[in-house]
Amino acid sequence: NAGVTQTPKFQVLKTGQSMTLQCAQDMNHEYMSWYRQDPGMGLRLIHYSVGAGITDQGEVPNGYNVSRSTTEDFPLRLLSAAPSQTSVYFCASSPRGVAGPLPTGANVLTFGAGSRLTVL
Amino acid sequence: RKEVEQDPGPFNVPEGATVAFNCTYSNSASQSFFWYRQDCRKEPKLLMSVYSSGNEDGRFTAQLNRASQYISLLIRDSKLSDSATYLCVGPNYGGSQGNLIFGKGTKLSVKP
Repeated sequence: NAGVTQTPKFQVLKTGQSMTLQCAQDMNHEYMSWYRQDPGMGLRLIHYSVGAGITDQGEVPNGYNVSRSTTEDFPLRLLSAAPSQTSVYFCASSPRGVAGPLPTGANVLTFGAGSRLTVL
Repeated sequence: RKEVEQDPGPFNVPEGATVAFNCTYSNSASQSFFWYRQDCRKEPKLLMSVYSSGNEDGRFTAQLNRASQYISLLIRDSKLSDSATYLCVGPNYGGSQGNLIFGKGTKLSVKP
């Protein structure tokens, strides 16, 4: 059971470089999301998706792009990395999105192991 | 105001103690919440769901108080292995679609 797979686990970039963090899930989950975690700030939502072809912004979307061309994959793109984007990034998925009464477990998040990004 | 807020701690307790964390939420329409546990340098993992009035699993009890808009997590007979950061999670209905918002986490250290 692979669950949610994130790559790479570690990455060092120079300011201005671009890169893509990959996220794949094999559970046929509708909902996928990206969070960043910084000391003292907790987990902050960057972008999320409730299905293929549908994405939306979270709390801190600036500097990041996403797409959802398939149910399984939800890559996060940094077009021009900045030192402020140094963080730990987590991808997470759940069977369904949020809102309203849901079947038990429908919106329980499963996380990937995280990607540690340093921008110099 | 952030949708979900919790006391960051740290809570330092001896083994065997009972400890409780609270988490307040701002949207009265919210119906489902979660407690996640995060170990150092690891990903968060689900500890408990709170869909109605409460939930109990062994030494852990989660309660939802709709009138006062908070949820709580009670840990009885604390173990050294309970040391972790506990994250409160609730729904955010803003934007075009709903999503899940995390509190900043409460750090628990259980000492021998």
